[in-house]
Amino acid sequence: EAGVVQSPRYKIIEKKQPVAFWCNPISGHNTLYWYLQNLGQGPELLIRYENEEAVDDSQLPKDRFSAERLKGVDSTLKIQPAELGDSAVYLCASSPGDSRDTEAFFGQGTRLTVV
Amino acid sequence: AQSVTQPDIHITVSEGASLELRCNYSYGATPYLFWYVQSPGQGLQLLLKYFSGDTLVQGIKGFEAEFKRSQSSFNLRKPSVHWSDAAEYFCAVRGGTYKYIFGTGTRLKVLA
Repeated sequence: EAGVVQSPRYKIIEKKQPVAFWCNPISGHNTLYWYLQNLGQGPELLIRYENEEAVDDSQLPKDRFSAERLKGVDSTLKIQPAELGDSAVYLCASSPGDSRDTEAFFGQGTRLTVV
Repeated sequence: AQSVTQPDIHITVSEGASLELRCNYSYGATPYLFWYVQSPGQGLQLLLKYFSGDTLVQGIKGFEAEFKRSQSSFNLRKPSVHWSDAAEYFCAVRGGTYKYIFGTGTRLKVLA
């Protein structure tokens, strides 16, 4: 079974440019997470979806970040415009969502460098 | 509020030596606890998890962890470290909202 797939793996952009990240969760997983991981830090939640509904986006900087999960499957995270401080790894994770006794499965992440 | 503390930023051990990585959590009820490992340029891989029952849990790659409610700890152990265990290790807690809170991680270096 395929795991969580993220693309691109790496992205270098100039500041003030837009950027988008894509995530395909494990088939059948209702819950989808986007996490931000700064260098030397643990992941921090940006947004959590239950199917197509964003149920926790309290830590998403909504002035420049947006996310969507149309049809409750794939998800896209966008930054517009990007700032130097957005350089980090963006991790997507998914979980079945219908059972408490399970874990989140993570993708390999997208490493963003803003220059 | 939920939180996770990993007091050791870096740990260096010799290959074949034993290992213990510390994790303390803050959560009002019985938490769901996890240890994940991250190799350079990779995502997080689950090592083990604790939900309920036996407080000593076994994971992959020979790792185990013990949940101690009285100490609010969930320390990760391995009796004999291999060079391939060099990576960053994250402890996480999850409450009823399905939100994972991660510690800042412990970077493990293994000496040959």
